[in-house]
Amino acid sequence: AQRVTQPEKLLSVFKGAPVELKCNYSYSGSPELFWYVQYSRQRLQLLLRHISRESIKGFTADLNKGETSFHLKKPFAQEEDSAMYYCALKPDTGGFKTIFGAGTRLFVKA
Amino acid sequence: KAGVTQTPRYLIKTRGQQVTLSCSPISGHRSVSWYQQTPGQGLQFLFEYFSETQRNKGNFPGRFSGRQFSNSRSEMNVSTLELGDSALYLCASSLFLAGAQGSGANVLTFGAGSRLTVL
Repeated sequence: AQRVTQPEKLLSVFKGAPVELKCNYSYSGSPELFWYVQYSRQRLQLLLRHISRESIKGFTADLNKGETSFHLKKPFAQEEDSAMYYCALKPDTGGFKTIFGAGTRLFVKA
Repeated sequence: KAGVTQTPRYLIKTRGQQVTLSCSPISGHRSVSWYQQTPGQGLQFLFEYFSETQRNKGNFPGRFSGRQFSNSRSEMNVSTLELGDSALYLCASSLFLAGAQGSGANVLTFGAGSRLTVL
């Protein structure tokens, strides 16, 4: 079955500390992986996708097909990074849908 | 260009009633997906429409239905409401083209959501 797992519901770090939000997926094909973010009182929006291999707001994510992981990392967390983060998977076959994990709430303390 | 618009933003219903939610996608986007968002479950996929056809459906009971019109606007309907249907219902539009993996066409743009409370 296609599944996205985010093991941490809440992650709390101090400002300036490194942060890693974990994401593991179950899918045997070649999916497209995304990270979406929802800041307080804002809409859910795309943060980055694995295809583009770019850094957005200092965040990067590497797709590890061997470990079926797509962890989100940032070397120095900022208070404005506090938000809800969702990892998502778009299968390459089997229909047009994107599957989301349960989300991780990141809280960056001053 | 205008974003994804969802109406109504908030509504309160009682058990047994039905509700219809509306979504207008970004101009040019022909795919509309619906999700149910709850604190414990995250985003659960409801269904996806493209050119007035439902192409995929999630694991929800038949009380949840939807449709898409020729102008790509979409509606979802929930009949015989239950307390557990209380949630934020999100609509997202995209290009979602066949064979477009990796092109950016699969990026979802979300609306603000319709918050349904069932009493």
